[in-house]
Amino acid sequence: DSGVTQTPKHLITATGQRVTLRCSPRSGDLSVYWYQQSLDQGLQFLIQYYNGEERAKGNILERFSAQQFPDLHSELNLSSLELGDSALYFCASSERENYGYTFGSGTRLTVV
Amino acid sequence: AQSVTQLGSHVSVSEGALVLLRCNYSSSVPPYLFWYVQYPNQGLQLLLKYTTGATLVKGINGFEAEFKKSETSFHLTKPSAHMSDAAEYFCAVSDPGNTDKLIFGTGTRLQVFP
Repeated sequence: DSGVTQTPKHLITATGQRVTLRCSPRSGDLSVYWYQQSLDQGLQFLIQYYNGEERAKGNILERFSAQQFPDLHSELNLSSLELGDSALYFCASSERENYGYTFGSGTRLTVV
Repeated sequence: AQSVTQLGSHVSVSEGALVLLRCNYSSSVPPYLFWYVQYPNQGLQLLLKYTTGATLVKGINGFEAEFKKSETSFHLTKPSAHMSDAAEYFCAVSDPGNTDKLIFGTGTRLQVFP
């Protein structure tokens, strides 16, 4: 157990639907990162939050949004889902700069 | 922009043989460097990292990596492969504009044959 908790582990949904992925960072970590992992794109950085504030944005689609709550957990919202959104979505957290990430075990999203 | 290149999407070695996984980065500014391992159906686990100091870094499971600034490389090695080393390995570097953010290579799948 890495200390980073992601729920759900698996999600199957239909095109056009909306889902919410949840992440609880390791205790004491203020930064949360979201990554998308697919076979053709590899690991793509989506977004970073630090202590509730958006810190950096990557290749995140406008249909996707995220937030970090006062208790530091984070949610990634994916809407108007398309088949191409099927991927593994990872959350990671870090204690401080340059410390490296601790990853959760991911949410496997399948859009049918 | 910073980029990471992992040469060889697949590497196969025999058990007991040397493991060498290659990673090169593009930035002229020395970044912070990381290697992660991903076992099937699991998240990524930090193997080792270089931030400052000694350029030869030792990690978990007998792996080590050497930061070579002149070659902009951070290759991962292990003297003797074990069957349990079979996994996907990712090199990552910090983004010069935001060193909290990591940019990952495309990964190298290591196969170990008996």
